[in-house]
Amino acid sequence: GAVVSQHPSRVICKSGTSVKIECRSLDFQATTMFWYRQFPKQSLMLMATSNEGSKATYEQGVEKDKFLINHASLTLSTLTVTSAHPEDSSFYICSAKVGPSTDTQYFGPGTRLTVL
Amino acid sequence: QQQVKQSPQSLIVQKGGIPIINCAYENTAFDYFPWYQQFPGKGPALLIAIRPDVSEKKEGRFTISFNKSAKQFSLHIMDSQPGDSATYFCAARKTSGSRLTFGEGTQLTVNP
Repeated sequence: GAVVSQHPSRVICKSGTSVKIECRSLDFQATTMFWYRQFPKQSLMLMATSNEGSKATYEQGVEKDKFLINHASLTLSTLTVTSAHPEDSSFYICSAKVGPSTDTQYFGPGTRLTVL
Repeated sequence: QQQVKQSPQSLIVQKGGIPIINCAYENTAFDYFPWYQQFPGKGPALLIAIRPDVSEKKEGRFTISFNKSAKQFSLHIMDSQPGDSATYFCAARKTSGSRLTFGEGTQLTVNP
């Protein structure tokens, strides 16, 4: 149980285009989802916390107009990278909490974004 | 500001050895300490987690030792195998919070 999926697993796009990444909790309802970015050989950096039905809370330094997050249902959150540039190339990972009062976060397999 | 410091950055052991990865934290509001394992190109997977009210927790070959007074915790991998070669991250979460603060990661290599 507690499986989180992401789609796509890899995406290559041209500079200036927008890319949408989906994060789904497959066998549980996730009231809270998180989006992370990870550069090679570095740790995970939290970008934003997403609660179902409300606006995402962004970490300091993360541009909310560039990284649009939507958590429209208890099983789906999306991250849209708008007007992507090469410096946005990274590994994007989502995670989800099984329930509001639980500790455990389960991570998705990640999405490798390459912006040419 | 890095609130969870992890060491070493990399670690090489022989098969059967017991690698130990250490983490130290500053904020006494942290009350949940998980360890994650990440293989290249994959998302992190939860290995084991501990709360400050216990000093040790064991799950299979993985053991967390926790020293509340020193604000340190460590991961021990018993009888390590080449398949354990991965990057390991410690993390911490504050009471009543949701966000995890991650350590810098340790790249473990277990040689056959």
